[in-house]
Amino acid sequence: EAGVTQFPSHSVIEKGQTVTLRCDPISGHDNLYWYRRVMGKEIKFLLHFVKESKQDESGMPNNRFLAERTGGTYSTLKVQPAELEDSGVYFCASSQYSGASTGELFFGEGSRLTVL
Amino acid sequence: AQSVTQLGSHVSVSEGALVLLRCNYSSSVPPYLFWYVQYPNQGLQLLLKYTTGATLVKGINGFEAEFKKSETSFHLTKPSAHMSDAAEYFCAVRGTNTGNQFYFGTGTSLTVIP
Repeated sequence: EAGVTQFPSHSVIEKGQTVTLRCDPISGHDNLYWYRRVMGKEIKFLLHFVKESKQDESGMPNNRFLAERTGGTYSTLKVQPAELEDSGVYFCASSQYSGASTGELFFGEGSRLTVL
Repeated sequence: AQSVTQLGSHVSVSEGALVLLRCNYSSSVPPYLFWYVQYPNQGLQLLLKYTTGATLVKGINGFEAEFKKSETSFHLTKPSAHMSDAAEYFCAVRGTNTGNQFYFGTGTSLTVIP
């Protein structure tokens, strides 16, 4: 069974440009999460989808970030326009269960974003 | 609110020596606790987790962790380090009454010296 896949693995863009990151969760996982790690810092929660609905987007930094999950399958995270502080590794994770569950998160390899 | 503190961003041990990676958490409710490992150029994978029951949890690759409520700790140990253990380790907490959010520590990079 395929794991969580993310694309691209690395993206280098200039300040002001747009980047779209994609995540394909494990098949059958309704819950999809985006996390970000800025170098040397903790992995921080961005948002959580349950199927196609945004369950919690309290971690989104600002309105330059837009996440979608049309059809409840793959998700995209768009950064427009990108700023220097957006550089970091963006992780996607999925899980089968939500709520008060002990379910673990399954992570992708991450998309490293470098904004110059 | 939940949070995690990992003491030591870098830890070096000799091959065969004890590995001890520290994690303290803050949680207003009984937590679920996790250790994840990230090998170079790979995603995070689960090492072990504590939910309820036995406080000493065994994970993959010979790692284990003990939940100590009185100390709000969940330190990760392995009796004998192997070169293949070199990786970054993340402790995470998830509150049982939250909507599924995980809170991660800043990570500890483990170096194993031959």
